[in-house]
Amino acid sequence: DQQVKQNSPSLSVQEGRISILNCDYTNSMFDYFLWYKKYPAEGPTFLISISSIKDKNEDGRFTVFLNKSAKHLSLHIVPSQPGDSAVYFCAASGGGGSNYKLTFGKGTLLTVNP
Amino acid sequence: DSGVTQTPKHLITATGQRVTLRCSPRSGDLSVYWYQQSLDQGLQFLIQYYNGEERAKGNILERFSAQQFPDLHSELNLSSLELGDSALYFCASSVDAGGYNEQFFGPGTRLTVL
Repeated sequence: DQQVKQNSPSLSVQEGRISILNCDYTNSMFDYFLWYKKYPAEGPTFLISISSIKDKNEDGRFTVFLNKSAKHLSLHIVPSQPGDSAVYFCAASGGGGSNYKLTFGKGTLLTVNP
Repeated sequence: DSGVTQTPKHLITATGQRVTLRCSPRSGDLSVYWYQQSLDQGLQFLIQYYNGEERAKGNILERFSAQQFPDLHSELNLSSLELGDSALYFCASSVDAGGYNEQFFGPGTRLTVL
């Protein structure tokens, strides 16, 4: 049972345009959400996070939006740059107790074309 | 560079063998997490240690075990290896066991079982 879903395996955008990566979750106990970027042969790199008490968090070119009622979050990258080309993973944690593991989606490969 | 180190980078072994993967967390981080990334499964949480004690268990097989030592480095032991254990194994660390802090990932160990 996949609790975090990234339904688009890949996305291609032009340099300078907006990239929107989507993520859906099913577990209503999740209360912290993160986006990671992964280049080939490297470990995932933390990008941005949002707690469930917020609906938006911005960091430079990256903005994450959370819609709790829809159990949906999205990552916006504006403007997109060729160096942003990577696999993006959505992750969630929560559930109380000592359950701090991250549950990951399967990732979306973003390609930014010059 | 996340500050998390993992050794070895690559490991090739045969079925039935036993291997040990090593992880050193970022300076000051008390929690260590192990994840497995196989081709079709994405990143799967295996186990978490906090300051030497096991805190949470995920989809970790009985043939696998881990520990965290007093200097906070961690080892993941995989025994009676099967072909299906071939995967990337990532270690991550965070400041404490709390859910509201990001995990920093090492570069991974690629295990190939022949």
